[in-house]
Amino acid sequence: QSALTQPRSVSGSPGQSVTISCTGTSSDVGTYKYVSWYQQHPGKAPKLMIYDVSKRPSGVPDRFSGSKSGNTASLTISGLQAEDEADYHCCSYSSSYTSVVFGGGTKLTVL
Amino acid sequence: EVQLVESGGGLIQPGGSLRLSCSASGFTVSSSSYMSWVRQTPGKGLEWVSVISSGGSSYSADSVKGRFTISRDNSKNTLSLQMDNLRAEDTAVYYCATSLRTRFDNWGQGTLVTVSS
Repeated sequence: QSALTQPRSVSGSPGQSVTISCTGTSSDVGTYKYVSWYQQHPGKAPKLMIYDVSKRPSGVPDRFSGSKSGNTASLTISGLQAEDEADYHCCSYSSSYTSVVFGGGTKLTVL
Repeated sequence: EVQLVESGGGLIQPGGSLRLSCSASGFTVSSSSYMSWVRQTPGKGLEWVSVISSGGSSYSADSVKGRFTISRDNSKNTLSLQMDNLRAEDTAVYYCATSLRTRFDNWGQGTLVTVSS
């Protein structure tokens, strides 16, 4: 069982927006601004999409955005495209688990 | 271009040892603030394993503490993970990555470790 809770799956049609939630506790997401999100296509390594809650690395489309409210962080993908279909993992710093914890991952299906 | 290539994975019996290596190019491991190992159980989520700072300080997840040791060889520009007393639940794909807190910027392609008799 992962420390952070994500929905197992979400889906959306091309052009729509989807939001993936990541729920933690006051020991991780609720306290620290160190939340990141990773995209992972089948058989590939994860790719950093968002760090420090809402910052985008160079090269990541601005269709991807991150936010946080209380103990829940969110990744929003607007203008869905077929290539966005992948697994998405959230990650947070945690004072309870020594350092870093991940969510269980969410499978995004583009209908 | 930053590139990380893991090696050393394979099939190992419970209680055995294995040493993973991560060869870096495009940057020097000695200059990277932190480098980490992250693993992924087949079909499941990611789990942070260990991190080492540029100064040599290291930290590990409770699940591997006392069994896994992370190290860095600056002369070979390589990151390593010595894994002892392996258990079935250590079966996973192991990735090395450059990191800063929860920001894992660059990842290798991963190496599969299977612990089974």
